[in-house]
Amino acid sequence: KQEVTQIPAALSVPEGENLVLNCSFTDSAIYNLQWFRQDPGKGLTSLLLIQSSQREQTSGRLNASLDKSSGRSTLYIAASQPGDSATYLCAVNGGSQGNLIFGKGTKLSVKP
Amino acid sequence: DAGVTQSPTHLIKTRGQQVTLRCSPISGHKSVSWYQQVLGQGPQFIFQYYEKEERGRGNFPDRFSARQFPNYSSELNVNALLLGDSALYLCASSLVDTYEQYFGPGTRLTVT
Repeated sequence: KQEVTQIPAALSVPEGENLVLNCSFTDSAIYNLQWFRQDPGKGLTSLLLIQSSQREQTSGRLNASLDKSSGRSTLYIAASQPGDSATYLCAVNGGSQGNLIFGKGTKLSVKP
Repeated sequence: DAGVTQSPTHLIKTRGQQVTLRCSPISGHKSVSWYQQVLGQGPQFIFQYYEKEERGRGNFPDRFSARQFPNYSSELNVNALLLGDSALYLCASSLVDTYEQYFGPGTRLTVT
């Protein structure tokens, strides 16, 4: 059974700092991995999608990496801003049902 | 283009009642998935539909049911509501079941 873990559960950093969020999964047989952002009480915004054959994806100040063999992904946020404050969720798509399996998220707070 | 839309935004029901939630996918997307997110947790998979057929079902009781219409919109029904059904219900659409998923704003269901 696939399990996804995100560490840390919460993170507080000063504005301008670079930071890394971690995601690990127990079954390396995945189709892809998505990182999402969720603001309080809102839906999920897709940030990056990494296919199982890819090692990383970049979008603006965000860079996500994937190491399938070790069951790990990281989301790197450069030059953090107060507007980056949100909960970041990692999810893997195992393909058998097409459903996403989520971690519990990392709650990020960027202080001005 | 319009994103995934869900209705209603908020809903308050009493224990034992029934509820229907609605979702319209992004134009051209044929796959719709439903997730339940309780406070402080990542979303949990409930159902996936592709081309009007159920492709996957999560570990939820038979009180939960869904369907997909010819225009690819979808409904999630929950019967005999329990207090524990209070959650944010999220709908996601994708071109096919293993592709990037895009989420709607969610329906906040409160059961009293």
